[in-house]
Amino acid sequence: AQSVTQPDIHITVSEGASLELRCNYSYGATPYLFWYVQSPGQGLQLLLKYFSGDTLVQGIKGFEAEFKRSQSSFNLRKPSVHWSDAAEYFCAVDELGSSASKIIFGSGTRLSIRP
Amino acid sequence: EPEVTQTPSHQVTQMGQEVILRCVPISNHLYFYWYRQILGQKVEFLVSFYNNEISEKSEIFDDQFSVERPDGSNFTLKIRSTKLEDSAMYFCASSEARTSTREQYFGPGTRLTVT
Repeated sequence: AQSVTQPDIHITVSEGASLELRCNYSYGATPYLFWYVQSPGQGLQLLLKYFSGDTLVQGIKGFEAEFKRSQSSFNLRKPSVHWSDAAEYFCAVDELGSSASKIIFGSGTRLSIRP
Repeated sequence: EPEVTQTPSHQVTQMGQEVILRCVPISNHLYFYWYRQILGQKVEFLVSFYNNEISEKSEIFDDQFSVERPDGSNFTLKIRSTKLEDSAMYFCASSEARTSTREQYFGPGTRLTVT
């Protein structure tokens, strides 16, 4: 079965510092990969997605992610975090079902920002 | 920008009662989904729905659960006899016909509390 692993449960970063959130997936073919962000008490907002082509994808709010097939990774990065980036971040893969997609989420990484 | 809406935002019910969670997907979308997130845990796939029938369901989606598209705009999740462990945030999502992007758009969620 497909799976997504986010090894870091909680990360604290100083405001203005760079950020990298790790994500590894298990999938046989080329996956459809996503990063979602969830602020406390809120729904899921799509940050960025990868389907094919350029392995470095740009998203909203200054985030980017790089697909590395050799490492089965899709790490999320931001060069300079803002206090408003504090949230839960979920990496996800689309498990291509026979008739409809099914998104498999990682367990999430909670990001705290140190003033 | 079109969005998925869900009502109510918060539902409190007693154990054993039936609840119906409602969703209005994006109007030109054809695939509909329900996901669940128990507090502090990851988001889990429940069911996908296309052409008025279930496409796929997870092991969580047992006989207590049912989905319906009663008219051209609403998509509902019914829990027949709620249990304490059904307390969670329930997210509805929708996507266009099977395109290369397979992007799902999520609603803001309904928080279900079973007492």
